[in-house]
Amino acid sequence: QQPVQSPQAVILREGEDAVINCSSSKALYSVHWYRQKHGEAPVFLMILLKGGEQKGHEKISASFNEKKQQSSLYLTASQLSYSGTYFCGTVYNNNDMRFGAGTRLTVKP
Amino acid sequence: GAGVSQSPRYKVTKRGQDVALRCDPISGHVSLYWYRQALGQGPEFLTYFNYEAQQDKSGLPNDRFSAERPEGSISTLTIQRTEQRDSAMYRCASSLMSARHTEAFFGQGTRLTVV
Repeated sequence: QQPVQSPQAVILREGEDAVINCSSSKALYSVHWYRQKHGEAPVFLMILLKGGEQKGHEKISASFNEKKQQSSLYLTASQLSYSGTYFCGTVYNNNDMRFGAGTRLTVKP
Repeated sequence: GAGVSQSPRYKVTKRGQDVALRCDPISGHVSLYWYRQALGQGPEFLTYFNYEAQQDKSGLPNDRFSAERPEGSISTLTIQRTEQRDSAMYRCASSLMSARHTEAFFGQGTRLTVV
């Protein structure tokens, strides 16, 4: 049930854009996105619900394709503070939330 | 503070000892999740509670692991007869409703080291 994330790692310069993908082999109810910095707890960024509702971060956007069971996180005009590991959390009808292996994002000046 | 609180933050135990890890969720949060996170990996699902009911324990590695949430608030994850392979960061997360609809907030975790 664990979702698959890609890419595993991304290195950007400040101001560049990135896309992180998450896919599930099982039908999803919703998708969460979290960012974790080294030594800290994961921090909530965004939730995408069936039917198109989104709640979350002002400067980060995401999409959720229910039919394909996929979600993508779009990081535009990246800032140094965006560095960290991004996890998608996929939620199923039974309320389980499973996480991918993560995408390590490094933003350089 | 009003966040998810876990204790102890660090626990070193000898192989074969039992340990109990505590999670105090945000007040009023219905759902509580336990995860194990190895360094450089994503959180690995262990178990999930809705109020006091354990809804899914399919992620518990074996019968040495158990969890409870008797009053629908504080939860305890117990590992019996600890082994070195149990060493990891154990995190809990709580959600106002189910994670299907609302965000989950993570605690700072308990770093367990079995020697």
